[in-house]
Amino acid sequence: EPEVTQTPSHQVTQMGQEVILRCVPISNHLYFYWYRQILGQKVEFLVSFYNNEISEKSEIFDDQFSVERPDGSNFTLKIRSTKLEDSAMYFCASSPYLGGKLFFGSGTQLSVL
Amino acid sequence: DAKTTQPNSMESNEEEPVHLPCNHSTISGTDYIHWYRQLPSQGPEYVIHGLTSNVNNRMASLAIAEDRKSSTLILHRATLRDAAVYYCILEGRGEGGSEKLVFGKGTKLTVNP
Repeated sequence: EPEVTQTPSHQVTQMGQEVILRCVPISNHLYFYWYRQILGQKVEFLVSFYNNEISEKSEIFDDQFSVERPDGSNFTLKIRSTKLEDSAMYFCASSPYLGGKLFFGSGTQLSVL
Repeated sequence: DAKTTQPNSMESNEEEPVHLPCNHSTISGTDYIHWYRQLPSQGPEYVIHGLTSNVNNRMASLAIAEDRKSSTLILHRATLRDAAVYYCILEGRGEGGSEKLVFGKGTKLTVNP
């Protein structure tokens, strides 16, 4: 079965540094998402992306966050100036159509020191 | 977002059926009922979804109450690999509905050998 691929699996960074988390959604999927999960807590929605623009974002997704689909295959999440509280597992997901099932990647564990 | 209520945890024995309940008394007529699960150290995984009628797939069955205020995910023969957190999620597609999935705390299923 096709799958969503996320790289790196682990990322360690210093507070204040920029990080880019990368995702390759399933080919021919049209809807893309980022979620995050702080250790021991719920999976939280960050942002959804369709037709090369953000369609919905949560309160967590402030000006420090941005998303991009630079080349038609990758989907990236950038955090401009990381904070300690950004430490979490970040999941990318894609879906072929609105309301379709979401396919999640295995996540990137971000540790901000 | 319409809310769901699930037990925090449940236990089952291997090769026995498991019935995971979910209450969603405020469900609206256009809300779909989705079930995802999250195995340890992995991203969420789609299990099944439905609107009004009961649904079956190779992973599970979904039984939806006639008034749609509750549903039950049925694993017909639990295996050790089914140990996971199971999330019952409502997805609204009506006017003003959101395309994002909102995860709650879910039910942690333990399967005993």
